[in-house]
Amino acid sequence: GAVVSQHPSRVICKSGTSVKIECRSLDFQATTMFWYRQFPKKSLMLMATSNEGSKATYEQGVEKDKFLINHASLTLSTLTVTSAHPEDSSFYICSALAGLAKNIQYFGAGTRLSVL
Amino acid sequence: SQQGEEDPQALSIQEGENATMNCSYKTSINNLQWYRQNSGRGLVHLILIRSNEREKHSGRLRVTLDTSKKSSSLLITASRAADTASYFCATDGDDYKLSFGAGTTVTVRA
Repeated sequence: GAVVSQHPSRVICKSGTSVKIECRSLDFQATTMFWYRQFPKKSLMLMATSNEGSKATYEQGVEKDKFLINHASLTLSTLTVTSAHPEDSSFYICSALAGLAKNIQYFGAGTRLSVL
Repeated sequence: SQQGEEDPQALSIQEGENATMNCSYKTSINNLQWYRQNSGRGLVHLILIRSNEREKHSGRLRVTLDTSKKSSSLLITASRAADTASYFCATDGDDYKLSFGAGTTVTVRA
């Protein structure tokens, strides 16, 4: 149980285009999901907390107009990188909280974004 | 924000040996968790230890927590090639957010 699917696993796009990444909890409902960014050989940096039915909460320094988050259902959160630029190239990972009592996050496999 | 610091940054061991890595953190916590990440993949939850616990076991994993020193250790016994991965500690507070350490890259040589 507690499987999180993230799609696509890899995307290459031209500068100026927008890219949408999906994060789905397959066998549980997730009222809270998280989006992280990871630079090569570095730790995960929390970008935002995605709450079902409400606006996402962004961490300091993360541009909310650049990284649009939508959590329209209990099993799906999306991250849209708008007007992507080469500096947005990174590994993006989502996670879903499987119940507040456990406080264990289940992670997607990540999306490698390369902006040309 | 990143609160954990891990030591060592990298570790190379022979198959069958034990691997030990340490994590230090700065603020008070509810729980401390360890995750594994294979190259280019997402993270897999390994073990959670609560702030009132001192030691926990799960299979070949042993985790200790010393809240007075704000530190934790992860021991992998009888390592296997499949244990090759990066290992991250993560602390959480009241807001359910995880703050990750920098990670330890473990290479198990056959």
